[in-house]
Formats: sequence, structure tokens, C-alpha cells
Amino acid sequence: GAVVSQHPSRVICKSGTSVKIECRSLDFQATTMFWYRQFPKQSLMLMATSNEGSKATYEQGVEKDKFLINHASLTLSTLTVTSAHPEDSSFYICSARGAPPGGDTQYFGPGTRLTVL
Amino acid sequence: ILNVEQSPQSLHVQEGDSTNFTCSFPSSNFYALHWYRWETAKSPEALFVMTLNGDEKKKGRISATLNTKEGYSYLYIKGSQPEDSATYLCAFDGSGNTGKLIFGQGTTLQVKP
Repeated sequence: GAVVSQHPSRVICKSGTSVKIECRSLDFQATTMFWYRQFPKQSLMLMATSNEGSKATYEQGVEKDKFLINHASLTLSTLTVTSAHPEDSSFYICSARGAPPGGDTQYFGPGTRLTVL
Repeated sequence: ILNVEQSPQSLHVQEGDSTNFTCSFPSSNFYALHWYRWETAKSPEALFVMTLNGDEKKKGRISATLNTKEGYSYLYIKGSQPEDSATYLCAFDGSGNTGKLIFGQGTTLQVKP
């Protein structure tokens, strides 16, 4: 149980285009989803937290107009990187957490490697 | 800035060896400490969520201890097997159950047959 999928696993796009990444909880209802990114040789860094049906909360330094997050249902959250630039190239990974008694465990997707040319 | 440090950065052991790694985290505002195992091209797998000082948790040959007063957790693997090869991540939650995790850089374990 507790499987999270993420799509696509890899995407290459041109500078200036927008890219959408989907994160789905397959066998549980995710009341909260989290988006992280990881630059080479660095740790996973939290970008934003989204609760179903409400606006995402962004971490300091993360531009909310650039990284649009939608959590429209209890099983799906999307991250859209708008007007992507080469410096947005990174590994993006989501996690999902269900309502109690599921506890505090976050279940992760396999991640998306974004390369912006 | 809250810092989570893991050591060593990488580790090579022979099959059958036991090994352990360290995660250091802030000793204030502690809510939980998470351990994950991350194999290449797969999703990070949740191992433990630890919340109580002095807690010890076990899953098969893997166990973890927690000291919140001094801000460290140890992960032990007994009798390492090649399939244990992975990166082990710890993550500190000092946000009071909002789930905002601060990750360490991980310890990459390679177990040679």
C-alpha cells in the first residue's frame, strides 16, 4: 500500500515553455502533498506544501508565480513550471501524506528529471 | 538556518558486515525524525518515523535509535546484504506536524558480495 506515482519521469523542454508534473496517490487519500527539488550533490529541499482544496504554501525563496501548484482532489497534485529556464533544471519529487491514523509518514513518488535547454 | 547532517557521506562494506550511520539535527523544536531508503530510479521508501526520545525501532535487519536531547539518530544494518545498497536519508520535522521535512544529504551504502 501507500503508492505514489509521478509523471513524467523525465522531460526535456525548451527555454520559455511550461512543463506540468503530476503526482498521484494510488491507494490512499492524500490530504497533504509536498513538492521538493534536488539540485546535484544537494539534499532534497521543500518547495511547497499543498492541502486539498486550498492554496499551496510556498517556502521562502520559491516563486509562487513560477511554480504553480494545484491540489484539486485527494489523489492528485500538479506542479507547473512556467516559462522554464535552464536554471530550473533539477530533479522534482513529490510526497503525499494521508489523514490520521496514517500518521506522519510521507510517501514519495519516483521523481521527475527536468532539463531545460 | 536549520541543518541536518548525515555521516558518513558514503560507505562501502562487505556482505555480512554490520554497519551504522549518523543523522544530526537541531535539538530544539523537535517533532519527528524520519528515515528513508532510496534506491536508484525508485521512490524513497519510508523506514521509520521516530518521535520519542530514547525510541528504538526495528524493521528486519534495520534498526534506528533516537536522542532528541542531543540531536542525533543512528541507523544500524545488521549483516548487510547487496540488496541493502542504497542511499539512506534522514529528515527532521521541527514544524509541529505540518510535515515540513528538512533532509540531510544522505549516506550512500554499497554492499559488496
